Amino acid sequence: RKEVEQDPGPFNVPEGATVAFNCTYSNSASQSFFWYRQDCRKEPKLLMSVYSSGNEDGRFTAQLNRASQYISLLIRDSKLSDSATYLCVVYNQGGKLIFGQGTELSVKP
Amino acid sequence: GAGVSQTPSNKVTEKGKYVELRCDPISGHTALYWYRQSLGQGPEFLIYFQGTGAADDSGLPNDRFFAVRPEGSVSTLKIQRTERGDSAVYLCASSWTSGETQYFGPGTRLLVL
Repeated sequence: RKEVEQDPGPFNVPEGATVAFNCTYSNSASQSFFWYRQDCRKEPKLLMSVYSSGNEDGRFTAQLNRASQYISLLIRDSKLSDSATYLCVVYNQGGKLIFGQGTELSVKP
Repeated sequence: GAGVSQTPSNKVTEKGKYVELRCDPISGHTALYWYRQSLGQGPEFLIYFQGTGAADDSGLPNDRFFAVRPEGSVSTLKIQRTERGDSAVYLCASSWTSGETQYFGPGTRLLVL
């Protein structure tokens, strides 16, 4: 079993739709949690950190449930420019990031 | 300011050859990380440096892989006797120190024929 698991998709949605991505992690001692965005043939870029209280950045909302070891990302009012792969990422003590497989999102006109 | 840079951007080599991949971190960042990303997968950790020393090399797949960071800045990932299965994108990241946000370079696409 992988340490971080995501539905690989692809998710195909129309512009303006709301889409949700889910992720589970297996290490209960994991310390920090993130969503990264990766465009085709580009490097991953930090989208947002994820906090237990939930946090929002514009159209993006992230949630963490430590008891269930579950992380989510909600995108409201999808734009064409949101098309990318979204990577669920966990940080354990010691420096390295553990990435999920990534969920591909395609927003269509 | 300048981000993380990696050279070459693409490398094609033949099975059995030796390759070196270079990473220039963001100036002042003491932590440097190497990851490998295969098609359709998320990046997988290889090795991490804090300063000049390798703090964690648990992700290196075998002894054909080696990395150095002799002056605590530029790092080189070295792969001996390359195999077709080594084909992937090799990503480098850096951060102010361990535990801080990691910023990724554009990667080196390695193709072993």
